[in-house]
Amino acid sequence: EAGVTQFPSHSVIEKGQTVTLRCDPISGHDNLYWYRRVMGKEIKFLLHFVKESKQDESGMPNNRFLAERTGGTYSTLKVQPAELEDSGVYFCASSRYAGTGKNGELFFGEGSRLTVL
Amino acid sequence: AQSVTQLDSHVSVSEGTPVLLRCNYSSSYSPSLFWYVQHPNKGLQLLLKYTSAATLVKGINGFEAEFKKSETSFHLTKPSAHMSDAAEYFCVVSGSARQLTFGSGTQLTVLP
Repeated sequence: EAGVTQFPSHSVIEKGQTVTLRCDPISGHDNLYWYRRVMGKEIKFLLHFVKESKQDESGMPNNRFLAERTGGTYSTLKVQPAELEDSGVYFCASSRYAGTGKNGELFFGEGSRLTVL
Repeated sequence: AQSVTQLDSHVSVSEGTPVLLRCNYSSSYSPSLFWYVQHPNKGLQLLLKYTSAATLVKGINGFEAEFKKSETSFHLTKPSAHMSDAAEYFCVVSGSARQLTFGSGTQLTVLP
């Protein structure tokens, strides 16, 4: 079974440009999460999809970030326009069940490293 | 509200000696607690989790952690370090919301 895959693994762009990150969750996982780690900081929650619906987007930093999950399969996270402080590693995770109880486990991808110059 | 404090940003041990990575948490709810590990250029991997069952939790690769409510701690231990254990370790708490709150990470170095 394939794990969570993210693309690209590394992206280098200039301030003001647009970048789109993609996440393919594990097949059958309705729950998809985005997290990010900016340099020197903790990994922070961005948002949570259940199928194609945004369950919780309280962690999205501002309206330059747009996440979509059309059809409830893969998800994209677009940053437009990118700023220097957006540099970091963006992690995607998926799970079959929402929550983190007895049967809950999030499976993380390897992350997409974004560098904004 | 919930938070996690990893007390050491870096820990160095010699191969074959015990590992102790310290974590304290704060949560308004009965928390679920986790340890994740990230090896270089790899994704975050779940080591173990506590979800209000046994307070001593055994995980993969010989790691275990003990939930101590009175001390609000969830320290990660391993009796004997292996070179392959070198990685960054994250203590994580999950409360009523379905979000994970991560600690700042502990970089474990294993010396030959």
